[in-house]
Amino acid sequence: QKEVEQDPGPLSVPEGAIVSLNCTYSNSAFQYFMWYRQYSRKGPELLMYTYSSGNKEDGRFTAQVDKSSKYISLFIRDSQPSDSATYLCAMSRSGGSNYKLTFGKGTLLTVNP
Amino acid sequence: KAGVTQTPRYLIKTRGQQVTLSCSPISGHRSVSWYQQTPGQGLQFLFEYFSETQRNKGNFPGRFSGRQFSNSRSEMNVSTLELGDSALYLCASSKQETQYFGPGTRLLVL
Repeated sequence: QKEVEQDPGPLSVPEGAIVSLNCTYSNSAFQYFMWYRQYSRKGPELLMYTYSSGNKEDGRFTAQVDKSSKYISLFIRDSQPSDSATYLCAMSRSGGSNYKLTFGKGTLLTVNP
Repeated sequence: KAGVTQTPRYLIKTRGQQVTLSCSPISGHRSVSWYQQTPGQGLQFLFEYFSETQRNKGNFPGRFSGRQFSNSRSEMNVSTLELGDSALYLCASSKQETQYFGPGTRLLVL
């Protein structure tokens, strides 16, 4: 079983839709949770960062972490064509290992005008 | 503030050769991590350097090595290249827990 599982999609939605992206993980030692967005031929761009359980909102983006279920989510409201990209979840442990990120495989999202 | 820069952006090598990739972190960031991204395996952690010392290491063979200089710039080296080393190599710099990625170096091994 991989440490982090992410549905690769692809996911295609109309402009203005609410998008839900999810990852599950098996390692209970993970404490830091991140979502990155990667456009084609570019490096990943940090979108959201959360420590431990809870919700975090930033504009149209909301990240949720449920450590009891080992489940994290990213919601995108009022999705735009410019949101079309691959979304990667990532997580790390605390302490000296917190710089070693474990990534999901990524979900390819297309938002159609 | 300038972002993470990586050079070169593209490389073509042949099997058996070696390659050196360079990364300049964001000013003030002392941690530099390297990742390999392939369509099959996704993003995989190679190693992390902090203050010129390797602090974390992933599960890659010894052909993959790196170093960090006193100005926090980092290089990674791959010796005896194999076809399977074709990938996007990403560098990320960190000040605390969050990592910021560069654009990557795309390596093609023929």
